[in-house]
Amino acid sequence: TQLLEQSPQFLSIQEGENLTVYCNSSSVFSSLQWYRQEPGEGPVLLVTVVTGGEVKKLKRLTFQFGDARKDSSLHITAAQPGDTGLYLCAGASGNNRLAFGKGNQVVVIP
Amino acid sequence: NAGVTQTPKFRVLKTGQSMTLLCAQDMNHEYMYWYRQDPGMGLRLIHYSVGEGTTAKGEVPDGYNVSRLKKQNFLLGLESAAPSQTSVYFCASSSPYSNQPQHFGDGTRLSIL
Repeated sequence: TQLLEQSPQFLSIQEGENLTVYCNSSSVFSSLQWYRQEPGEGPVLLVTVVTGGEVKKLKRLTFQFGDARKDSSLHITAAQPGDTGLYLCAGASGNNRLAFGKGNQVVVIP
Repeated sequence: NAGVTQTPKFRVLKTGQSMTLLCAQDMNHEYMYWYRQDPGMGLRLIHYSVGEGTTAKGEVPDGYNVSRLKKQNFLLGLESAAPSQTSVYFCASSSPYSNQPQHFGDGTRLSIL
């Protein structure tokens, strides 16, 4: 059973457009973490959200954690080709174990 | 500033062969993890360790064994490789405090023929 559902699985947009991807959980986790993974590399942490309703910004990326702490969204403003990658959300539980979603593959076309 | 280093980066095995994947971290992290990543399946936890000399099963442990003899190293073993174990394997480490990020290596691409 996939605890974390990410949608859409694949998204292709033109440079300069905005996009939003979603991560929905069937469980409440102590935190949700967003990672970005590029081909041939391991995932790299972008942000951790802990508190329900929390909003965090990382340059043109805005992360939101739902009030019930079961869903999260990532919004990218004015996407750049460098934003291309696989975005993974992960829910944290005991011993810092992470349960990952399948990812949102984002392609930004120049 | 190496972080998490995985060796080898690529390997091709025949069915039934054995091998060990090595993960080394230089961040003095207590916790270490092994994942496999398959198309359409995301990252799945195989085994993890919360300290030297301790290991525990994750979501998909069958067919794998692990050892954590030294704090900085976490080994993943395949005793008798099967084609279903063809995957990209990632090692990660983290500090023991809540909600800490995991730091990943760049993966080992393993093909079982």
